[in-house]
Amino acid sequence: GAGVSQSPSNKVTEKGKDVELRCDPISGHTALYWYRQSLGQGLEFLIYFQGNSAPDKSGLPSDRFSAERTGGSVSTLTIQRTQQEDSAVYLCASSQTGYGYTFGSGTRLTVV
Amino acid sequence: RKEVEQDPGPFNVPEGATVAFNCTYSNSASQSFFWYRQDCRKEPKLLMSVYSSGNEDGRFTAQLNRASQYISLLIRDSKLSDSATYLCAVKEMGGSTLGRLYFGRGTQLTVWP
Repeated sequence: GAGVSQSPSNKVTEKGKDVELRCDPISGHTALYWYRQSLGQGLEFLIYFQGNSAPDKSGLPSDRFSAERTGGSVSTLTIQRTQQEDSAVYLCASSQTGYGYTFGSGTRLTVV
Repeated sequence: RKEVEQDPGPFNVPEGATVAFNCTYSNSASQSFFWYRQDCRKEPKLLMSVYSSGNEDGRFTAQLNRASQYISLLIRDSKLSDSATYLCAVKEMGGSTLGRLYFGRGTQLTVWP
């Protein structure tokens, strides 16, 4: 597609449940990033995939968070045993050499 | 110490005003710089890259001062539609040419009629 696609756009889940968030980057973009943004807060880096290199996982807040990128394209961010503090907008972005990121419209996660 | 710092504002200016935002970064090895615009409850969108010599796009002018480690965004003749949060972003030198961006927390701008 023309842009970065994320699904679902909204997700309400019960505390303790697992959730999967999906990101489909712009075709041909080799780098993919996950950030999250809590209400009124800045962008918090989570994880970064670049081609076939090992991902930069330095931003993942706990071992409940994991992400994978299959075939160098689609990525899935998984949050296990969700907590209320996980509630945020999860943003995916992709980029190509020398340019800034293009963000998807995000997944708004609410843990109740 | 934050990698990228911005004055959060808010900046409230009348239509037609000129407004400027600054953003400082901590790593002198940073190599690429960007301004993003984020509307309420929307994703950030790339406004413009910032080049060493400075660059202009219509009413928007971006400048980089490497010696003082800051970038700036100047908006001339403000429009109501310029109301948004402006995020600066900095890419640091890394092993890959596609390193991650560090974002400031954003500066909120409201343009009033």
